[in-house]
Amino acid sequence: SQQGEEDPQALSIQEGENATMNCSYKTSINNLQWYRQNSGRGLVHLILIRSNEREKHSGRLRVTLDTSKKSSSLLITASRAADTASYFCATDALAAGNKLTFGGGTRVLVKP
Amino acid sequence: DTAVSQTPKYLVTQMGNDKSIKCEQNLGHDTMYWYKQDSKKFLKIMFSYNNKELIINETVPNRFSPKSPDKAHLNLHINSLELGDSAVYFCASSQRDRGIERGYTFGSGTRLTVV
Repeated sequence: SQQGEEDPQALSIQEGENATMNCSYKTSINNLQWYRQNSGRGLVHLILIRSNEREKHSGRLRVTLDTSKKSSSLLITASRAADTASYFCATDALAAGNKLTFGGGTRVLVKP
Repeated sequence: DTAVSQTPKYLVTQMGNDKSIKCEQNLGHDTMYWYKQDSKKFLKIMFSYNNKELIINETVPNRFSPKSPDKAHLNLHINSLELGDSAVYFCASSQRDRGIERGYTFGSGTRLTVV
């Protein structure tokens, strides 16, 4: 079974709106990472948040982590058509042998 | 300039054939991985090598055999290809600094189609 599961599975918004997606996981983690995958391309690392951190920012991206609820969220502010992609959360957990385990992704469509 | 490069980008082959996918990284990372992404976009780790040593070997058929000639290269050989092997295979690399993971760098993928 997947360690991380994203919600929603798909999201459609207008350019300029914010997009929020959530990730839940099952076991204690060292860190949680978010990746973007454009259609037909490889994954690109966006942000890594460690288990002792609660919030991190990178440009228009904001990631939060709640270890008590075993969940994380990714917020993209002022979305652009170029943000259209699939977004994956991935957990690095000691119990998983320090390998990165991915969720199923959220497909985001930003309409111009 | 490409950090993690995979070849070929596309591979169409018949059932029963043997094929290889190659991966090279120029980032100086110690660890390399093979991931498989299925048609529903789920990514699953297959293998991981750290400095040429196999450290992760998930439940993958014996027909899949990774080889790491040096820490910059990780190849994947697949024997007796089956229809179910059709997927996109991603190579990735990473480096832990003082035990702290910094994120993976992925290649652009190899789309394997078995007919």
